[in-house]
Amino acid sequence: KQEVTQIPAALSVPEGENLVLNCSFTDSAIYNLQWFRQDPGKGLTSLLLIQSSQREQTSGRLNASLDKSSGRSTLYIAASQPGDSATYLCAVMSGYSTLTFGKGTMLLVSP
Amino acid sequence: NAGVTQTPKFQVLKTGQSMTLQCAQDMNHNSMYWYRQDPGMGLRLIYYSASEGTTDKGEVPNGYNVSRLNKREFSLRLESAAPSQTSVYFCASRVGAGSSYEQYFGPGTRLTVT
Repeated sequence: KQEVTQIPAALSVPEGENLVLNCSFTDSAIYNLQWFRQDPGKGLTSLLLIQSSQREQTSGRLNASLDKSSGRSTLYIAASQPGDSATYLCAVMSGYSTLTFGKGTMLLVSP
Repeated sequence: NAGVTQTPKFQVLKTGQSMTLQCAQDMNHNSMYWYRQDPGMGLRLIYYSASEGTTDKGEVPNGYNVSRLNKREFSLRLESAAPSQTSVYFCASRVGAGSSYEQYFGPGTRLTVT
């Protein structure tokens, strides 16, 4: 059974810092990995999707990498802003179009 | 484009009552999903529908039933609600099979069973 772990569970940084969120998964036979953002009381917003054949994806200040063989992904956020405060969720697709989620990293960026 | 919509946004039920959570998407997606999100547990898949006319169990299907009414709509029914079903329920959709397609989520339904 696929298991997804996110470290750290919570992170607090001052505005302007670069930061890295970590995601690991136990079964390397994945089709893709997706990073989501969830604001309090809201649904999930997709940030980046990396297919199993890719090494990284970038969108603005966000960069996600994937090392499938070691079962790891990182989400790099450059020059963090208070508006980046949210919970970040990692999910892997290893079954037929179904996702397995980690428990998330709660990020707080203070002004 | 409304994306994925869910009704109701909030609901309080008494133990033993039944209700149906509604989900609709206007993106012409083939696959639709129901998840529940509980503190400390993350999101867990309840049921999914890979395409119109098919449904399959996910990780936590007990106590739930689903109906893929048409391509747009996928409902989740609680026949006899229990306090353990207190949760936030999310519906999601996806174009279909293929590793390049993202899942898109609705805003959620917050359900409390007393």
